[in-house]
Amino acid sequence: GQQLNQSPQSMFIQEGEDVSMNCTSSSIFNTWLWYKQDPGEGPVLLIALYKAGELTSNGRLTAQFGITRKDSFLNISASIPSDVGIYFCAEGEGSQGNLIFGKGTKLSVKP
Amino acid sequence: DGGITQSPKYLFRKEGQNVTLSCEQNLNHDAMYWYRQDPGQGLRLIYYSQIVNDFQKGDIAEGYSVSREKKESFPLTVTSAQKNPTAFYLCASRTGFRGYTFGSGTRLTVV
Repeated sequence: GQQLNQSPQSMFIQEGEDVSMNCTSSSIFNTWLWYKQDPGEGPVLLIALYKAGELTSNGRLTAQFGITRKDSFLNISASIPSDVGIYFCAEGEGSQGNLIFGKGTKLSVKP
Repeated sequence: DGGITQSPKYLFRKEGQNVTLSCEQNLNHDAMYWYRQDPGQGLRLIYYSQIVNDFQKGDIAEGYSVSREKKESFPLTVTSAQKNPTAFYLCASRTGFRGYTFGSGTRLTVV
């Protein structure tokens, strides 16, 4: 089945540092989505990307849809403690009409 | 405000018991989904429903059952046949080609 490879698996950073994570696939997709999950809660959509090469920002977050349409990147600038959580990439072309998720990047921020 | 409500937040199951997790949405979304989340495993699809009175198995449906008698409701039953039910369960809904809206999850523990 379709798989998304998300890296890194976890990150431990100091408050104020920039963060970068990525997601790759062997298949070409038309949609990339980035979600954040706070501890003990459901994921919340951060950014949606619908076009190859698209670069979209949401506050301190920036995500890009790779030109090859097989990858996507999420960057967080000037991290703060509330950035802690798990970040998931997802694509919207599951064979059952569902989203396919990466395994997540767990972010820890030290004040 | 529209959203998805999952209940209960925490649930304990004894060996051999069936338990039912509730998921209700007032977003008027057609499609609803159940995912299971285990540490380091990402989100795995259990069941999904595109319309009322119809549902399909996902990747890990064994030991689970669902119903979709109303558009707003998509309960998940974890049966005694599910040998390792301890996990975080997430319900989501979707309309059109946008990303999901998730509930806040139910943490199920076998005691």
